[in-house]
Amino acid sequence: KQEVTQIPAALSVPEGENLVLNCSFTDSAIYNLQWFRQDPGKGLTSLLLIQSSQREQTSGRLNASLDKSSGRSTLYIAASQPGDSATYLCATSTGANSKLTFGKGITLSVRP
Amino acid sequence: NAGVTQTPKFQVLKTGQSMTLQCAQDMNHEYMSWYRQDPGMGLRLIHYSVGAGITDQGEVPNGYNVSRSTTEDFPLRLLSAAPSQTSVYFCASSLLASSYNEQFFGPGTRLTVL
Repeated sequence: KQEVTQIPAALSVPEGENLVLNCSFTDSAIYNLQWFRQDPGKGLTSLLLIQSSQREQTSGRLNASLDKSSGRSTLYIAASQPGDSATYLCATSTGANSKLTFGKGITLSVRP
Repeated sequence: NAGVTQTPKFQVLKTGQSMTLQCAQDMNHEYMSWYRQDPGMGLRLIHYSVGAGITDQGEVPNGYNVSRSTTEDFPLRLLSAAPSQTSVYFCASSLLASSYNEQFFGPGTRLTVL
């Protein structure tokens, strides 16, 4: 059974800092890995999708990498801003039913 | 495109009452699913559908029913609500019923069962 872990559960950084959010998973036989952002009381917004054959994806100040063999993904946020404050979740897709297995998320706070 | 929409946004029920959570998408997506989000548990799959007329159980299906009569709609029914069903419910969809596809989530329904 796939298990997805995100540590630490919370992170606080000053504005402008470059930061890395980590995601680890136990079953390397994934189809893809998706990073989401969730603002308090809101839904999930898809940030980046990395297919199993890819090593990384970039969107603006965000860069996500995937290392299937070690069961790890990182989300790199460049020049963080207070507006980046949110909970970031990673999820892997395994099996034929498109089921996503989620980590519990990292709550990021960027201090002005 | 409105994307994935869910109604209602908030709902309070008494134990034993029934209700239907609505989910619709206007992107002609084949795959739709329901998750619940609980503190300390993360998101867990309840039911999913790979196309109109086809549904299947996820990780935590007990107490919930679904049907998919059209491509656009995927309602979730609580037949007899219990306090353990207090949660935030999210509907998701993707273009194809393939594990390679990106999934998109609705804004959620916050349900409290007293």
